[in-house]
Amino acid sequence: DADVTQTPRNRITKTGKRIMLECSQTKGHDRMYWYRQDPGLGLRLIYYSFDVKDINKGEISDGYSVSRQAQAKFSLSLESAIPNQTALYFCATSARTSRSTQYFGPGTRLTVL
Amino acid sequence: QKEVEQDPGPLSVPEGAIVSLNCTYSNSAFQYFMWYRQYSRKGPELLMYTYSSGNKEDGRFTAQVDKSSKYISLFIRDSQPSDSATYLCGMVTAGGTSYGKLTFGQGTILTVHP
Repeated sequence: DADVTQTPRNRITKTGKRIMLECSQTKGHDRMYWYRQDPGLGLRLIYYSFDVKDINKGEISDGYSVSRQAQAKFSLSLESAIPNQTALYFCATSARTSRSTQYFGPGTRLTVL
Repeated sequence: QKEVEQDPGPLSVPEGAIVSLNCTYSNSAFQYFMWYRQYSRKGPELLMYTYSSGNKEDGRFTAQVDKSSKYISLFIRDSQPSDSATYLCGMVTAGGTSYGKLTFGQGTILTVHP
């Protein structure tokens, strides 16, 4: 079984709809992250969480919100989706003891029409 | 100016070739350097990690860091079709914060053809 799972894997939605992307991990890591990937722009950090009560904005948090329901679960929401939020979204985790090694989920391909 | 610049490619080489992938950076606070490999429709996976200037070798892969020039490279020897993927350099700051921000380059798409 995969250590970091994301649901859904693919989603097509319309402008203005609310969307939630979910991430679960069995690695026992404290830290979780949400990134988006766009062609030519690499991975950009949206939000990160050090533990259930600690949530921080990344470099591109506008238009997104997150919820850390438990140590193992971290959800990303698009309150009102817009077409330029069409991208690949990745969840990642890392251990408290390592500041650098992040483990990524398989990604969610989101298309906003 | 972006903190991390990566040669965008794409790069297409014949099987057996030596591949060189490169990144430059502007932030002197970066102390940890890594290379991630991402296959199509998959998440990135850590390939190499280093924190000092010099070379680190792992099988056919060699990671090179030159902090004085703010330049890192990944060399792949005897490249194989299975090496075809997107390669992302990543860098982390050290000290002064409990979170080492991981900043990625734009990624280089590599294709190794038989």
